[in-house]
Amino acid sequence: AQKITQTQPGMFVQEKEAVTLDCTYDTSDQSYGLFWYKQPSSGEMIFLIYQGSYDEQNATEGRYSLNFQKARKSANLVISASQLGDSAMYFCAMRDYLVYGGATNKLIFGTGTLLAVQP
Amino acid sequence: DTGVSQDPRHKITKRGQNVTFRCDPISEHNRLYWYRQTLGQGPEFLTYFQNEAQLEKSRLLSDRFSAERPKGSFSTLEIQRTEQGDSAMYLCASSLLQGETQYFGPGTRLLVL
Repeated sequence: AQKITQTQPGMFVQEKEAVTLDCTYDTSDQSYGLFWYKQPSSGEMIFLIYQGSYDEQNATEGRYSLNFQKARKSANLVISASQLGDSAMYFCAMRDYLVYGGATNKLIFGTGTLLAVQP
Repeated sequence: DTGVSQDPRHKITKRGQNVTFRCDPISEHNRLYWYRQTLGQGPEFLTYFQNEAQLEKSRLLSDRFSAERPKGSFSTLEIQRTEQGDSAMYLCASSLLQGETQYFGPGTRLLVL
């Protein structure tokens, strides 16, 4: 069964500095997708970045980049130049696949990391 | 705003009452998902629809829970005979049929007293 592990319950970072949020995953599938979502206190899950298992380049979206190390089964999120508005919960997620047939597309989430950006 | 919308945003109910939540997905999205998130946890998958067909249900979805998507557009999630353990955030998401990304709504926060 697929599993996502986020070992950092909370982190502090100074404004304008970079921060790395850790995510490791477990799957026996060869084809899978990895996602990062941001959840502010309002509750909405905001999509940040996606990495496919066959993508050779690390994904980047503005200040977000995904450090994908397939052999180590890790997909860490790097936020550069942190801003006060980055303070939120961050969830790593994996897209589940049926063993036979196509993707169900359901997401399996980790327990999240609470990021606090300090001025 | 053409994102996913959910109604109501908050619901307080007494144990034993029935509640119904609504989700309106992004208009061209064929797939619709329901997740439940309890305090301190990541969201957990409940069920999903492809158009009007409910294709998968988690074992978390007891027989007190029912979800529908009658015309392949909006969806409802009903909880009958609510229990205190049903208190959670209920999140709806949608995606294109062959798309990679699920876009979430703001959630409905349920408190059962």
